[in-house]
Amino acid sequence: DSGVTQTPKHLITATGQRVTLRCSPRSGDLSVYWYQQSLDQGLQFLIQYYNGEERAKGNILERFSAQQFPDLHSELNLSSLELGDSALYFCASSVGPGMNTEAFFGQGTRLTVV
Amino acid sequence: EDQVTQSPEALRLQEGESSSLNCSYTVSGLRGLFWYRQDPGKGPEFLFTLYSAGEEKEKERLKATLTKKESFLHITAPKPEDSATYLCAVLQDDSGYALNFGKGTSLLVTP
Repeated sequence: DSGVTQTPKHLITATGQRVTLRCSPRSGDLSVYWYQQSLDQGLQFLIQYYNGEERAKGNILERFSAQQFPDLHSELNLSSLELGDSALYFCASSVGPGMNTEAFFGQGTRLTVV
Repeated sequence: EDQVTQSPEALRLQEGESSSLNCSYTVSGLRGLFWYRQDPGKGPEFLFTLYSAGEEKEKERLKATLTKKESFLHITAPKPEDSATYLCAVLQDDSGYALNFGKGTSLLVTP
């Protein structure tokens, strides 16, 4: 158990809908990172938050947004869903502002868009 | 374009048959190279970080090495429980703070 908790584990929804994925980082970790993993693209960095503030952005679509709350948990919002958004979404956390030391990944949320 | 390339995509070994996985990178200003292990349906699990050419790290049957252009993950006398996907990732000077992952090598070790 990495200590990073993601909910839900599985999500099935229809095209055009909006969903929210939740991540609770390890106790004491201030950074949260969101990644998308699909079969053909591998793990793609979406966005990072550090202590409540957006720190870095990767290949995140405009239909996607995220935030980190005062208790440090984070939510990833995906809207106007398309079939191609079906993927595993991982959250990772680390103590400091970067992944230059060990980062811990959650078990992921498997999103299926039908 | 900066990138991380892993080879082979898939590798099948018999138990006890040693081999190496390759990760080549073309990035400017490498701050660290990372190896993770991922089991099916699970999140990646941290294995090693290497920071400079010539550095080596070991953990049980795994040894990671780093040169200026590539890293190798050597697996000595593998067991079936070593079956997993092994991911290589880099942290670069101008990438900010997040890891850039390769697509991984899927390893299957048969008894």
